[in-house]
Amino acid sequence: SQELEQSPQSLIVQEGKNLTINCTSSKTLYGLYWYKQKYGEGLIFLMMLQKGGEEKSHEKITAKLDEKKQQSSLHITASQPSHAGIYLCGADIKDKGGTSYGKLTFGQGTILTVHP
Amino acid sequence: DTAVSQTPKYLVTQMGNDKSIKCEQNLGHDTMYWYKQDSKKFLKIMFSYNNKELIINETVPNRFSPKSPDKAHLNLHINSLELGDSAVYFCASSQWVGLAKNIQYFGAGTRLSVL
Repeated sequence: SQELEQSPQSLIVQEGKNLTINCTSSKTLYGLYWYKQKYGEGLIFLMMLQKGGEEKSHEKITAKLDEKKQQSSLHITASQPSHAGIYLCGADIKDKGGTSYGKLTFGQGTILTVHP
Repeated sequence: DTAVSQTPKYLVTQMGNDKSIKCEQNLGHDTMYWYKQDSKKFLKIMFSYNNKELIINETVPNRFSPKSPDKAHLNLHINSLELGDSAVYFCASSQWVGLAKNIQYFGAGTRLSVL
């Protein structure tokens, strides 16, 4: 099993609907990054969460980090076709006291389709 | 100007060939990375360099050899290409080593197809 699991793996919604993507870790999270990828393009940085309970928003996208649950959620309000793409969570997963060296472990991605 | 640029964007080659992918960043960052994304979109780190020094070297076949001539460039050379090497390779950079408030910026990717 993977260290970071995203759910759902794919999501199809109608424009205007709200949606949530989850990212769950099998180990303690020390920082969580959300990226968006469009076909043929690189990963676009969305948000970084570093503390338990932290919540950040950018336009219609909100991300939260629940350290106790070892989970992060990404919520999109009133989705638009421009939100379509692959959402990836990446995290610093290491044993307590270990050194990171910037190694990001990624989830398998969630493919979001938004129908107009 | 693109912050992290990779060339080529597409690479189609025969099995057994040797090929290189180049990456350049103009962000003034100290750390650069190579990631591989397989057909299932699973993204995994391969290498990381900090100021031209190798700091992350995941379990990657030794046919893959990264080279950093200076801290703005990180190239990836692949010898004796195999079918399983077909993937999208992403270069990324960040200001320093470690993940404390240290965002990694990604290039557009190089789509490698080995025939």
